[in-house]
Amino acid sequence: GESVGLHLPTLSVQEGDNSIINCAYSNSASDYFIWYKQESGKGPQFIIDIRSNMDKRQGQRVTVLLNKTVKHLSLQIAATQPGDSAVYFCAENPANAGGTSYGKLTFGQGTILTVHP
Amino acid sequence: DADVTQTPRNRITKTGKRIMLECSQTKGHDRMYWYRQDPGLGLRLIYYSFDVKDINKGEISDGYSVSRQAQAKFSLSLESAIPNQTALYFCATSEVSGVGTDTQYFGPGTRLTVL
Repeated sequence: GESVGLHLPTLSVQEGDNSIINCAYSNSASDYFIWYKQESGKGPQFIIDIRSNMDKRQGQRVTVLLNKTVKHLSLQIAATQPGDSAVYFCAENPANAGGTSYGKLTFGQGTILTVHP
Repeated sequence: DADVTQTPRNRITKTGKRIMLECSQTKGHDRMYWYRQDPGLGLRLIYYSFDVKDINKGEISDGYSVSRQAQAKFSLSLESAIPNQTALYFCATSEVSGVGTDTQYFGPGTRLTVL
């Protein structure tokens, strides 16, 4: 079946460094991609999303890059802080022919980001 | 997200017992979801509902049932709990935006242990 996966299960960085978390997807029908952050004991928290008609989208300290040619998604966190330590999930959301979301997310396994002071 | 609440937050039960997990939202969203998370894994979809009269099976619906009592309430039931249903359960809500995207917002989770 279709799947969303991550290249690296863990990532350790020093405070102030930039972090890059990668994700591969296989469902060519996916139209919408989302990054979530999950802190210990909490539910996933929306970080940033991107539609398939975009290559890049920036938020506050975060940037998502989408490479449809190789079906690859990445999350870049600038000036990583200890509060960024969490598990990061990518998720894909296929859309119908009209571009409206089916609403069914497929999640990757997650990457554990640890930020050292 | 405080707009999505789940009760109970923790529950320990025995094999064979019936369990109900409840989810309420004040976001006014039509779409609601139940997910399960196992250690080291991403979330897997159990059931979802796009409005009060709509119920759909997700990836792993066997052993579970749901009820959409109102737009704001979506409950998950385990009719006869078994140990491999021990997991973290999340409720989520969403609504389709004007550009067709559908961001899901998650509750804090319910940790269920079946002995």
